[in-house]
Amino acid sequence: AQKVTQTQTSISVMEKTTVTMDCVYETQDSSYFLFWYKQTASGEIVFLIRQDSYKKENATVGHYSLNFQKPKSSIGLIITATQIEDSAVYFCAMREGTNAYKVIFGKGTHLHVLP
Amino acid sequence: SVLLYQKPNRDICQSGTSLKIQCVADSQVVSMFWYQQFQEQSLMLMATANEGSEATYESGFTKDKFPISRPNLTFSTLTVNNARPGDSSIYFCSSRGGFDTEVFFGKGTRLTVV
Repeated sequence: AQKVTQTQTSISVMEKTTVTMDCVYETQDSSYFLFWYKQTASGEIVFLIRQDSYKKENATVGHYSLNFQKPKSSIGLIITATQIEDSAVYFCAMREGTNAYKVIFGKGTHLHVLP
Repeated sequence: SVLLYQKPNRDICQSGTSLKIQCVADSQVVSMFWYQQFQEQSLMLMATANEGSEATYESGFTKDKFPISRPNLTFSTLTVNNARPGDSSIYFCSSRGGFDTEVFFGKGTRLTVV
């Protein structure tokens, strides 16, 4: 069975610094997809970045990047040069390759970016 | 990507009544998904709805309580039957475009049952 675990409930960082949020996953599939989403204070859920299991290179989009450590079943999200507006809840999620439908989410990490 | 429009944005209903939530996609999509999110909690997949077939429900969710219709490739409705205060949460519809791997979300419907 697939499972996504985010152990950090809340993180506070100073503006313009770099933050890493942790996520570990469990799956029996050899092919899978990992995602990070951001939920803003208004409740809106925004897709940020994706890592395909077969790709060795870490994905990067804007000031978001991933630290994919496949042997450890780990997919960390790195945000560089954080801004106040990065304050939100960040969810890690996974979809197994054999299941085109089911995306499961971790419990989320609340990021507070302080001025 | 795909844009999803939900309505209503929020609603308050009495215990024992039913509420319909609509989701419209800006393009044809094969599957639509419905998620439930309690306050400060994660997103739980409720069901997957494909056009012309019965929705597939995840453990803990039933079609009697949460019937879902999917009459065409751009539209779905989720009904909450016999609403109870424990159903108070945010309901999101979700889908992915033809060549997308990731899913996208509507803005959610915040339901309060009193």
